[in-house]
Amino acid sequence: SAVISQKPSRDICQRGTSLTIQCQVDSQVTMMFWYRQQPGQSLTLIATANQGSEATYESGFVIDKFPISRPNLTFSTLTVSNMSPEDSSIYLCSVELAGPYEQYFGPGTRLTVT
Amino acid sequence: GDSVTQMEGPVTLSEEAFLTINCTYTATGYPSLFWYVQYPGEGLQLLLKATKADDKGSNKGFEATYRKETTSFHLEKGSVQVSDSAVYFCALVRVTSYGKLTFGQGTILTVHP
Repeated sequence: SAVISQKPSRDICQRGTSLTIQCQVDSQVTMMFWYRQQPGQSLTLIATANQGSEATYESGFVIDKFPISRPNLTFSTLTVSNMSPEDSSIYLCSVELAGPYEQYFGPGTRLTVT
Repeated sequence: GDSVTQMEGPVTLSEEAFLTINCTYTATGYPSLFWYVQYPGEGLQLLLKATKADDKGSNKGFEATYRKETTSFHLEKGSVQVSDSAVYFCALVRVTSYGKLTFGQGTILTVHP
């Protein structure tokens, strides 16, 4: 497995502001994923981020709202832009390791928007 | 589209009881199937997996068998402990979905001493 860290672990933000979440992996990985877990809900994929290419977004998620960067094989960021209380969720990054399709998750970032 | 359905929760058991959490799926082709566990305040951990029909995944006393004929992947444990209290998620991924995991809604398990 790998060690996956996320920063910040939690934050409370004002509506209309933006927050950038960092995901760091201790080994090089090709595919990284960003998921959202709304309160009491299951996980929903936001986008897939491969190094060297634009992120691929799932239906219902757009780049203007959730811009993603993937500058190298160990790091990615997700920005939640122009936040509203509906964005209050846990945001998790995951990486594909071992395979096939075996994903490991970071500890998550708990975001509360007031 | 792909979907995963888990049994309704929450599930409350006494320590040493037998656990079953039902999971059924809908997907084209031959997906890989997973169980993830989320302990209170923590991220998701991969519990076990199965990649083809009749495979049995096992870990920490938990087991699940990939049943293609019933499109199911039920999670079982013979004797649960208080420390098993967590949320359990069933999930699938298809070869052609570029790694996208589709999750069930999660089942909350509480084990009492």
